[in-house]
Amino acid sequence: GESVGLHLPTLSVQEGDNSIINCAYSNSASDYFIWYKQESGKGPQFIIDIRSNMDKRQGQRVTVLLNKTVKHLSLQIAATQPGDSAVYFCAENLSGTSYGKLTFGQGTILTVHP
Amino acid sequence: NAGVTQTPKFQVLKTGQSMTLQCAQDMNHNSMYWYRQDPGMGLRLIYYSASEGTTDKGEVPNGYNVSRLNKREFSLRLESAAPSQTSVYFCASSRMWGANTEAFFGQGTRLTVV
Repeated sequence: GESVGLHLPTLSVQEGDNSIINCAYSNSASDYFIWYKQESGKGPQFIIDIRSNMDKRQGQRVTVLLNKTVKHLSLQIAATQPGDSAVYFCAENLSGTSYGKLTFGQGTILTVHP
Repeated sequence: NAGVTQTPKFQVLKTGQSMTLQCAQDMNHNSMYWYRQDPGMGLRLIYYSASEGTTDKGEVPNGYNVSRLNKREFSLRLESAAPSQTSVYFCASSRMWGANTEAFFGQGTRLTVV
């Protein structure tokens, strides 16, 4: 999930494969995490969220895993489809004085080949 | 149901000009946000409004002002545009402040300052 300069991490998969997108978050005080999907020319779209008292949460074709020990978040997409091609962002919600404000990661480009 | 609506979608300004980006939401949300997104980067919070009548600075507030006109509308103003403010601007809203709820985003305003 790390990026250098303007170069986002990229993931290329074949249609039907499973995809795993990773994110390292920075603040151990974060207590809520969201994955967003952003298609070209559009605003981010909510995919799934997870609270810090959970390790795993499943949605339709998506699963989010949270490892608080190493401050790592992952998004698993089952049976990836061409329509899943987009930039995926993880976002964290800090507790305390910053409660309610999302801090976004730099994103991962997912490309699905038919 | 329109969700979050931003106007304009595109704008070109000359250095030193001023303009206001408009945002309106029809979901009866309490909290609203303005983010900017630069190429290859995640979203960075400019200002937010936890509830009607309040506004606070985010991560990158310099060069911007905001107005929470009513519960529905949250505008972002550039008093004297600079090339460094060339970016895509996203408005977002969420149901409650500090309640770990997802944010819904508008389609974005692509601003170029020459």
